[in-house]
Amino acid sequence: AQTVTQSQPEMSVQEAETVTLSCTYDTSESDYYLFWYKQPPSRQMILVIRQEAYKQQNATENRFSVNFQKAAKSFSLKISDSQLGDAAMYFCAYEGAQKLVFGQGTRLTINP
Amino acid sequence: ETGVTQSPTHLIKTRGQQVTLRCSSQSGHNTVSWYQQALGQGPQFIFQYYREEENGRGNFPPRFSGLQFPNYSSELNVNALELDDSALYLCASSLMFGGARAKNIQYFGAGTRLSVL
Repeated sequence: AQTVTQSQPEMSVQEAETVTLSCTYDTSESDYYLFWYKQPPSRQMILVIRQEAYKQQNATENRFSVNFQKAAKSFSLKISDSQLGDAAMYFCAYEGAQKLVFGQGTRLTINP
Repeated sequence: ETGVTQSPTHLIKTRGQQVTLRCSSQSGHNTVSWYQQALGQGPQFIFQYYREEENGRGNFPPRFSGLQFPNYSSELNVNALELDDSALYLCASSLMFGGARAKNIQYFGAGTRLSVL
């Protein structure tokens, strides 16, 4: 069974600085997708970024980028120029067999 | 806004009762997945419906059941409620082709907060 581990329950960063959230996963599959979702207090899961396992190039979306290390089964999220609106729970997720497997989440606080 | 709507937003039930949660999928989507998110945890997959049939199920007992309608909206039913069923229930819609492994993005609703007393 696939598992996803986020080892940082909480992180904080100063506004405008850069922060990296960690995620590791375990799978025997070779083709899969990885995601970072953001869940603000409004509760709605919002997709931040997606990575296809067969692509070696790391995905980027504006201020958000990932460091995908397939051999190490590591998938970290880097947020550059942090903004107050980035404060939320961040979940790493693995997509396999029609379902998403989520990590436990990292609570990100932005200090003004 | 994802276009996925869930109702009700909050619900309070007592142990042993039954509950029905509803989800309207995003326009053009044919697949609905349900997740349970306990407080302080990541979401756990309950089951998925594709073209009105169950298409995968997580480690949840049979008292968790669902339906998908011809318009692709969906219901989650929970019978004989237990205290541990208190959680946020999330619905996600996506588009699948031919029942093949989903490689499309799942778009989430804002959830229904269920409290069981």
